[in-house]
Amino acid sequence: KQEVTQIPAALSVPEGENLVLNCSFTDSAIYNLQWFRQDPGKGLTSLLLIQSSQREQTSGRLNASLDKSSGRSTLYIAASQPGDSATYLCAVITNAGKSTFGDGTTLTVKP
Amino acid sequence: DGGITQSPKYLFRKEGQNVTLSCEQNLNHDAMYWYRQDPGQGLRLIYYSQIVNDFQKGDIAEGYSVSREKKESFPLTVTSAQKNPTAFYLCATTGQGNGELFFGEGSRLTVL
Repeated sequence: KQEVTQIPAALSVPEGENLVLNCSFTDSAIYNLQWFRQDPGKGLTSLLLIQSSQREQTSGRLNASLDKSSGRSTLYIAASQPGDSATYLCAVITNAGKSTFGDGTTLTVKP
Repeated sequence: DGGITQSPKYLFRKEGQNVTLSCEQNLNHDAMYWYRQDPGQGLRLIYYSQIVNDFQKGDIAEGYSVSREKKESFPLTVTSAQKNPTAFYLCATTGQGNGELFFGEGSRLTVL
């Protein structure tokens, strides 16, 4: 059974810092991996999707990497801003369309 | 606008009642999903459907039921058999191709 772990569970940083969020999974037979942002009481907003054949994806200040062999993905946020404060979730998705989510990392960026 | 609409946003239920949460999409996506989220936790898959008139149980299907009579609609019924139904419920879709998940804004169910 696929298990997804996100470390740390919570992170607080001063504005302007670069930071890394981690996501690890136990079964490397994935179709893709997706990073999301969730604001309190809201749905999930897709940030980046990495297909299994890809190593990384970039969007603005965000960069996500994928290492299938080691079962790891990282989300790098450059020059963090208070508006980045949210919970970040990763999900791994199989060929059959089944998804497994981590519990998320709650990020607070202090002005 | 294209997207996924969930309703109602907030719902209160008395114990012993069934309630139905609506999920409608106009993205022309084939696959639809229902997830449950509890405070401080990730999402757990309840049911999913990859085609009209077909659906499969996810990891926590007990106490829930679904139907998929139309491509655009995937309603979730929370039955009285669900012992702890208070949670945030999220509906999602994926299109063909890369399997990217798209989410609605969620429905919060509270049992009184």
